[in-house]
Amino acid sequence: AQSVTQLDSQVPVFEEAPVELRCNYSSSVSVYLFWYVQYPNQGLQLLLKYLSGSTLVKGINGFEAEFNKSQTSFHLRKPSVHISDTAEYFCAVRVFSGSARQLTFGSGTQLTVLP
Amino acid sequence: NAGVTQTPKFRVLKTGQSMTLLCAQDMNHEYMYWYRQDPGMGLRLIHYSVGEGTTAKGEVPDGYNVSRLKKQNFLLGLESAAPSQTSVYFCASSRGGDWSSGANVLTFGAGSRLTVL
Repeated sequence: AQSVTQLDSQVPVFEEAPVELRCNYSSSVSVYLFWYVQYPNQGLQLLLKYLSGSTLVKGINGFEAEFNKSQTSFHLRKPSVHISDTAEYFCAVRVFSGSARQLTFGSGTQLTVLP
Repeated sequence: NAGVTQTPKFRVLKTGQSMTLLCAQDMNHEYMYWYRQDPGMGLRLIHYSVGEGTTAKGEVPDGYNVSRLKKQNFLLGLESAAPSQTSVYFCASSRGGDWSSGANVLTFGAGSRLTVL
């Protein structure tokens, strides 16, 4: 069975500082990987995705993530955060093969950007 | 350009009452999903549908029923609500098809907050 672990439930960071949100998955086969963002009182929006190709993926709002197969990780990074980045971030994985038509989501990381 | 619309946005029920959450999408998507979001647990899939007239169970289907009579609508029903069903419910849809092409990127609604007393 696949699972997704987001190691930090809360990450406070000062404005203009860099941030890394960690995500690890457990799967013995290839995966598709996603990061979603949820702003307060809204639904989830896709931030970026890894399907194949380059392991460094760039998304919206200056975020990027790196797929590391050997460490089964897909950490999200931003070099300089803004107040408006305050939100909850979810990592999600879908296993490459099999009949399951669903994503497995991590438990989420609340990013709070402080002035 | 509404995307995915959920109604109602808020609802309070008493234990044992029934209700239906409605999800409507205007993107002609084939696949639709119902998730519940609970603190510290992320999103868990309740039921999903890969086309009009089809439904399938997800990770936590017990206590819920669904129907997809029209392609654009996906209904989630609670026949006898329990306090454990207090949650925020999200509907999502996707084009369907080959995952490697990105065809299954989910578009989410804004959520429906349900409280069962």
